[in-house]
Amino acid sequence: GDSVTQMEGPVTLSEEAFLTINCTYTATGYPSLFWYVQYPGEGLQLLLKATKADDKGSNKGFEATYRKETTSFHLEKGSVQVSDSAVYFCALRGSSASKIIFGSGTRLSIRP
Amino acid sequence: EPEVTQTPSHQVTQMGQEVILRCVPISNHLYFYWYRQILGQKVEFLVSFYNNEISEKSEIFDDQFSVERPDGSNFTLKIRSTKLEDSAMYFCASSEGRQGAGSYEQYFGPGTRLTVT
Repeated sequence: GDSVTQMEGPVTLSEEAFLTINCTYTATGYPSLFWYVQYPGEGLQLLLKATKADDKGSNKGFEATYRKETTSFHLEKGSVQVSDSAVYFCALRGSSASKIIFGSGTRLSIRP
Repeated sequence: EPEVTQTPSHQVTQMGQEVILRCVPISNHLYFYWYRQILGQKVEFLVSFYNNEISEKSEIFDDQFSVERPDGSNFTLKIRSTKLEDSAMYFCASSEGRQGAGSYEQYFGPGTRLTVT
């Protein structure tokens, strides 16, 4: 069945460092891909999405490109801030389904 | 901005008791979902609901679980006889439509932490 694999955490970086969180997926057809973020004590918020190959999703300085050839959707940010500390979930929704399938989450901590 | 709300934020119950988790989806949304996240594990789909019936459910969603939209605003998840392994964060979500009718975003609530003792 469909699945998402993302890099294990926790990831700890200094402020202004470059961030990459790797995500790969297994799915039939053409899924939509998402990154969700969960700040401490809060629910899941959609950070960005891409619905077809080569689409780039972006929001709040974060970017991810839908790469069908490598089945990847890596999250990147050029300069992280302390306020980016959160858990990040890569996720997909199959082309004929409504449910979202999540990766295991990556906890990101940013040091001042 | 409209949001999904959930109550209570934390529920503690004894094994074997029934619990009802409540959600108020965004008002013009038609599709409703429950997910759960056992501590330290991934978020897992439980069930989707549309037009007053279940449209999809996972293997986790067995006979001890049920969902209901008792009125025009609430969406509930009932666990009939709780087990220790039901301890988790339960997230409700809603969307205007579903995949295939557009890339409709699912909006998630803040979650209810259920602790079964």
